[in-house]
Amino acid sequence: GQNIDQPTEMTATEGAIVQINCTYQTSGFNGLFWYQQHAGEAPTFLSYNVLDGLEEKGRFSSFLSRSKGYSYLLLKELQMKDSASYLCAPTRGSYIPTFGRGTSLIVHP
Amino acid sequence: DAGVIQSPRHEVTEMGQEVTLRCKPISGHDYLFWYRQTMMRGLELLIYFNNNVPIDDSGMPEDRFSAKMPNASFSTLKIQPSEPRDSAVYFCASSSDRLAGSYEQYFGPGTRLTVT
Repeated sequence: GQNIDQPTEMTATEGAIVQINCTYQTSGFNGLFWYQQHAGEAPTFLSYNVLDGLEEKGRFSSFLSRSKGYSYLLLKELQMKDSASYLCAPTRGSYIPTFGRGTSLIVHP
Repeated sequence: DAGVIQSPRHEVTEMGQEVTLRCKPISGHDYLFWYRQTMMRGLELLIYFNNNVPIDDSGMPEDRFSAKMPNASFSTLKIQPSEPRDSAVYFCASSSDRLAGSYEQYFGPGTRLTVT
């Protein structure tokens, strides 16, 4: 099965950096997704990590440690539009994600 | 491409009624997923199809739920009879593994179901 742990809510200031952590225990792990979901909208893809290490994509970066069952999403130069839920989703074989309950990020001026 | 299309966007029904949710995946995608999202339980995978064949339905709550994919461009999720605890947002998503290294799922806008 899957056990995913990420903070329920985080707050940060516009222009700052925030790191959203995720720990997981899973069987048949292949990689880990991060999705962004604005209130009332569908989730949208941010990243998919297979190998250990940091992958950078613009203002967003994602890190994975397979041996530790740990990942984080790093958001730089925060903007108000980054206020959303961020879903950590490790895979369980066949690249099928299992979603956590997500972290609600509130960015304030 | 129009993306994943779901209908209806909102559904309000009374307990005991049959509910049918519809989904049209992105053309060329060979995987289709049905999810349910609630505040309490988050985003849960109900069932997924590969090339129109159901692969894993272990997330389907009970026999009241059924899903079909008669062809590559259409799927339904049916609840019969519906109960208030089925109230949630139901998402359909599709993906393709033909793009090397790309396993991104594309989500539809969701159907908000309220059972009274």
